[in-house]
Amino acid sequence: DTEVTQTPKHLVMGMTNKKSLKCEQHMGHRAMYWYKQKAKKPPELMFVYSYEKLSINESVPSRFSPECPNSSLLNLHLHALQPEDSALYLCASSQVGRSSYEQYFGPGTRLTVT
Amino acid sequence: GENVEQHPSTLSVQEGDSAVIKCTYSDSASNYFPWYKQELGKRPQLIIDIRSNVGEKKDQRIAVTLNKTAKHFSLHITETQPEDSAVYFCAAHNDYKLSFGAGTTVTVRA
Repeated sequence: DTEVTQTPKHLVMGMTNKKSLKCEQHMGHRAMYWYKQKAKKPPELMFVYSYEKLSINESVPSRFSPECPNSSLLNLHLHALQPEDSALYLCASSQVGRSSYEQYFGPGTRLTVT
Repeated sequence: GENVEQHPSTLSVQEGDSAVIKCTYSDSASNYFPWYKQELGKRPQLIIDIRSNVGEKKDQRIAVTLNKTAKHFSLHITETQPEDSAVYFCAAHNDYKLSFGAGTTVTVRA
């Protein structure tokens, strides 16, 4: 199974809502990532988890809160978002080590903040 | 941190012609260079990659070259087809992080 899955596919939320994005992979990868992608722009790294521990936080506002409950799951909890947070949120996973860096991307969650 | 520049930002080619996209990177510690293709509304998909100890790699109509000394790498697509139309991103990997170029929108004219 070489697939990363994400739910939901689409999400519309108000600025006072709390919601969560979910990501799952069963490739045995021990690194998982959250990216934000605006239209016609490259993915921007938000967070990296390695062996279920947060290893990189790219100065993301606290209204985004990641969680890695186990080696297969990655969540992104959203609270008090702003309209400018509307974007495609991509999850990715990869092996950890010197020789394997390919990141496999999920299909993304299209988030609209109203 | 790593800075990846990608050119051109748009590229229009006649079907059957070749397309070349060029990227430069700034951090000599970067050691892995993937290329992703992203179609409208879809996820980025890896199409080819190259590691820092290799100068060139080819996969059917796609090839990538790397010049470590000059810190640049290029994607070459030969015999372009309409299905090659997409946005292409180069990236440089260093210490868990992938730094992406700004992207090239490729349009293949039939």
